[in-house]
Amino acid sequence: DIQMTQSPSSLSASVGDRVTITCRATQSISTHLNWYHQKPGKAPKLLIYATSKLQSGVPARFSGSGFGTDFNITVSSLQPEDFGSYFCQQTYRDLSLHTFGQGTRLTI
Amino acid sequence: EVQLVQSGAEVKKPGESLKISCEGSGYNFAKYWIGWVRQTPEKGLEWMGLIFPGDSDTRYSPAFEGRVTISADISISTVYLHWNNLKASDTATFFCARREIGASGHDSLDFWGQGTMVIVSS
Repeated sequence: DIQMTQSPSSLSASVGDRVTITCRATQSISTHLNWYHQKPGKAPKLLIYATSKLQSGVPARFSGSGFGTDFNITVSSLQPEDFGSYFCQQTYRDLSLHTFGQGTRLTI
Repeated sequence: EVQLVQSGAEVKKPGESLKISCEGSGYNFAKYWIGWVRQTPEKGLEWMGLIFPGDSDTRYSPAFEGRVTISADISISTVYLHWNNLKASDTATFFCARREIGASGHDSLDFWGQGTMVIVSS
């Protein structure tokens, strides 16, 4: 099975900061990597799919990059609504094995 | 507007059975896979499995196969997650989500239900 490891596990930053979260896969997943944002008590929300494609309605301050085993999501200028947890998910091949990273908690 | 609406919170005893639901609206329900995701503070988000309501093709994560059953009823645009023998370790929040396949063949979970909290305690 493909395991996903995010770093850091938690992060504290200020409004206006540029922050980057990393996700690493235990084997190559090409560009089959998604990022989700979740606020406490709410469902996750899709931010980025296929490594770098912004979901409709997601602000342009979010961007994603990577290939193979190493991926990043960057927020260019943090806004107060960006606090919460970020999760990566690999969707490479087997539908039954679309694993998530353990999450990164971002506090503003 | 695409919406997935889940059934309400449940409190059950070990050994009991439970079925929670996820009703889709605002799109062609039969033509999109619906997945289930478990969330706990200890393990975060876990992929459980998914179903294609059009033909009930179902795939399970090995970690959940045999522990839960995923089913669908197209006539009421609803997907279910069912347990026969609940354990305390099933305590979690469960989300349903729609699988979208992009033009490039990449898939993602583009719409999510609001979550159903399940507490299993004696």
